[in-house]
Amino acid sequence: SAVISQKPSRDICQRGTSLTIQCQVDSQVTMMFWYRQQPGQSLTLIATANQGSEATYESGFVIDKFPISRPNLTFSTLTVSNMSPEDSSIYLCSVGGTYITYEQYFGPGTRLTVT
Amino acid sequence: KNEVEQSPQNLTAQEGEFITINCSYSVGISALHWLQQHPGGGIVSLFMLSSGKKKHGRLIATINIQEKHSSLHITASHPRDSAVYICAVHSGGSNYKLTFGKGTLLTVNP
Repeated sequence: SAVISQKPSRDICQRGTSLTIQCQVDSQVTMMFWYRQQPGQSLTLIATANQGSEATYESGFVIDKFPISRPNLTFSTLTVSNMSPEDSSIYLCSVGGTYITYEQYFGPGTRLTVT
Repeated sequence: KNEVEQSPQNLTAQEGEFITINCSYSVGISALHWLQQHPGGGIVSLFMLSSGKKKHGRLIATINIQEKHSSLHITASHPRDSAVYICAVHSGGSNYKLTFGKGTLLTVNP
């Protein structure tokens, strides 16, 4: 299994500002993913973070709003830019493809409130 | 219509009761996950299965590929089992993307 930590665990931010969320894994992983969970909703994939290349974004999510870095096989960041109250969500990092195809492990999440 | 449907949406039980949460999906899958999300937001992977049945402690997960249906059972439920239980599926190929159900909120009262 993989142990994932995220920073910060929660934050309250003002609209128009940006927040960078960090995801650290205790082992090298092939696939890292960023999800958003809006209040009362299911998880939605934002993007797949690719090591050494640009992230692959899902429909409805763009790099200018959610820039992602993946400098190595154990770390990634997601930035939520120019925030509005609609960005208030839990943001989760997950990893997969370690030892067994299709296994995924999730981080503890970052609870973001935008005022 | 969602590709992954869970039922019930909300479930309240008394401590000790046997609990079943159902998941139906409409696409061909390579694997199905049962996840547990506590109020703090973090998610724990309970099971990943592609056939048959798995058991871990008081939790049992089954899947019927032909019927496109999976169930999560909790025996001798306890208040600490109170959480949101989420079903998620992999549609296969080299794409590791998961499609999630909306979750079932379980409350177990003492």
